[in-house]
Amino acid sequence: TQLLEQSPQFLSIQEGENLTVYCNSSSVFSSLQWYRQEPGEGPVLLVTVVTGGEVKKLKRLTFQFGDARKDSSLHITAAQTGDTGLYLCASSGGSNYKLTFGKGTLLTVNP
Amino acid sequence: SAVISQKPSRDICQRGTSLTIQCQVDSQVTMMFWYRQQPGQSLTLIATANQGSEATYESGFVIDKFPISRPNLTFSTLTVSNMSPEDSSIYLCSVDFAGTGNTIYFGEGSWLTVV
Repeated sequence: TQLLEQSPQFLSIQEGENLTVYCNSSSVFSSLQWYRQEPGEGPVLLVTVVTGGEVKKLKRLTFQFGDARKDSSLHITAAQTGDTGLYLCASSGGSNYKLTFGKGTLLTVNP
Repeated sequence: SAVISQKPSRDICQRGTSLTIQCQVDSQVTMMFWYRQQPGQSLTLIATANQGSEATYESGFVIDKFPISRPNLTFSTLTVSNMSPEDSSIYLCSVDFAGTGNTIYFGEGSWLTVV
């Protein structure tokens, strides 16, 4: 089973600041998905990255997939209080479609 | 994406009882899964719900404790049997609409507290 390590585990910043969170594995990702989860709710899919070196942008969020497909990052520009939540990376290995999740980064954006 | 509805959204359950969680999708999907998220933890896959056959369970999860039904391509249930406080978790239904493993969506979750 592929292990996904996320860092930092906790992050507390002020509104307007930029931040980056990371997801790493010792083995190659077939694909990688980023989710955001708010308290008491299910995870919401933000993006899927598949190709090494790929960069995807979703408004103020920039997702990058490492060239070797062993790491990924999520950068948020000018964070807002609505960005508060648990950010999870997940990967499905091979052909089994089952997701393995990292432990997440709990982001708090303070007003 | 289609809508994934779970119910109940939350419940408080007595120790030793069982509760069935329902997951309804508004379009047919091949792959449906059930996950558990214990307090402060990440998500762990319980099982893959197979239409018309027995679910496929992950290590550490057994059918007697978590029986699953999947009568058709839009509906599944997960029962948490003989509950204990350790079963207090969010239980999440998820589906893979594209069948590629790259676009997996989750329901809003069912938050169970066992007292």
